[in-house]
Parts: sequence; structure tokens; C-alpha cells
Amino acid sequence: AQSVSQHNHHVILSEAASLELGCNYSYGGTVNLFWYVQYPGQHLQLLLKYFSGDPLVKGIKGFEAEFIKSKFSFNLRKPSVQWSDTAEYFCAVNPPLRGSARQLTFGSGTQLTVLP
Amino acid sequence: GAGVSQSPSNKVTEKGKDVELRCDPISGHTALYWYRQSLGQGLEFLIYFQGNSAPDKSGLPSDRFSAERTGGSVSTLTIQRTQQEDSAVYLCASSRRTGGVQETQYFGPGTRLLVL
Repeated sequence: AQSVSQHNHHVILSEAASLELGCNYSYGGTVNLFWYVQYPGQHLQLLLKYFSGDPLVKGIKGFEAEFIKSKFSFNLRKPSVQWSDTAEYFCAVNPPLRGSARQLTFGSGTQLTVLP
Repeated sequence: GAGVSQSPSNKVTEKGKDVELRCDPISGHTALYWYRQSLGQGLEFLIYFQGNSAPDKSGLPSDRFSAERTGGSVSTLTIQRTQQEDSAVYLCASSRRTGGVQETQYFGPGTRLLVL
């Protein structure tokens, strides 16, 4: 069974600080990797995804993530956070299996609070 | 275009009553997933539908939970004899299945269920 670990449960930063949220997964094969964001009072939105190719992927709102296969990691980064980035961030994985359910396995989430 | 819609947005019920939650996926999306988001358990997969195939029910927590998808579009999740531990946000996601294995799930706003 696969699992996803997000070690930072709550991160507090000041505006303009740099952000890195950790995500590690446990799965023996190829995976698809995702970061979703949930802003206060809103639904889960896709931030970025990795399927294959360049391990450095760019998403919306200046976020990026790097897939490091040897470390089973997919950390999320942003060089300069804004107050509007305050939200909960979820890392998720699913196996790229043909002809079956590809349900997402989610990490426990990281609550990011950006102070103005 | 329109995203995934869910109704009701909030539901309060008494212990022992049955509830029905509805999901309307993005038009053209053949795959549909139900997840549950609760404080103690995070985001968990419940059930998956793909076209007219038999659903994958492997995530349903008990036989009080069931779901159907009519006409390959709208889905209804039914919880019978609700218990207090069923209180959670129930999320629906849909995706466009192609011949490949790269699939992105888009989430609805969820139904917040409170069992008194």
C-alpha cells in the first residue's frame, strides 16, 4: 500500500519569505504526483502535477515542485510567499495503472499561514 | 466551463437517519471518485466509477455506505443509519479518462455532513 508523508503540519511565514513544504511517498513503482491547495472556505484546487519528464514542474501562482526519485520526494517551493498563499496544502500520489481506479492517496496536509 | 458540483453544501441529520449526497461531474469526464475528509482521518478514498464498469468499492468503510452512478454522469452517495463518526466533508472528483495513464482529478466543493 502506498502512503504519503507531509512532515510539516503548520508553517508560519512572513510575507516575502521563501517556502518549502516537504512531501515523501512510499510506493514501489512509478507514481503520478500532485499538489493541491485548499484556500479558506474554498474547495481543493490543483496547484501542479508531475507525470513524467522534467522533474522540476511549475504550477500556478509561482509555485514549483521537484521530483527526486531517489529520495521518494516531491517538495513544493515558492521563492516569495504572499499573504494570499495562506491555505492548506496537500500532497497526493496515485499509481499510473491502466484499466483500474487511480484513487489519490493524500498526505495529512500542511497549513500555511503567511503573516502580512 | 462548469466544474464539479455537489449538493447539498451542508447537511445536518440525526443519528440513525439515512442521507443522500449528490455529485454532478464535469461534462465529458467518465471517471468519478468519492472521498471523505475528516479531522481524524484526513482525505480518504471511498469509491470509484468509470463509465459503465462495475465500481471499485474498496474504500467504503462499512456496508452502510453505497453509491450509484446513473447514465454515466450524476452520482449519489447514500449513507444509511448514520452515525456520529460519519460526520465529515464528502468530496467528489471527476477526471477525463483517455487511453493513457496520466489523469488529473478535479474536485467539487464538498458536502459537509454533521450527524447529531
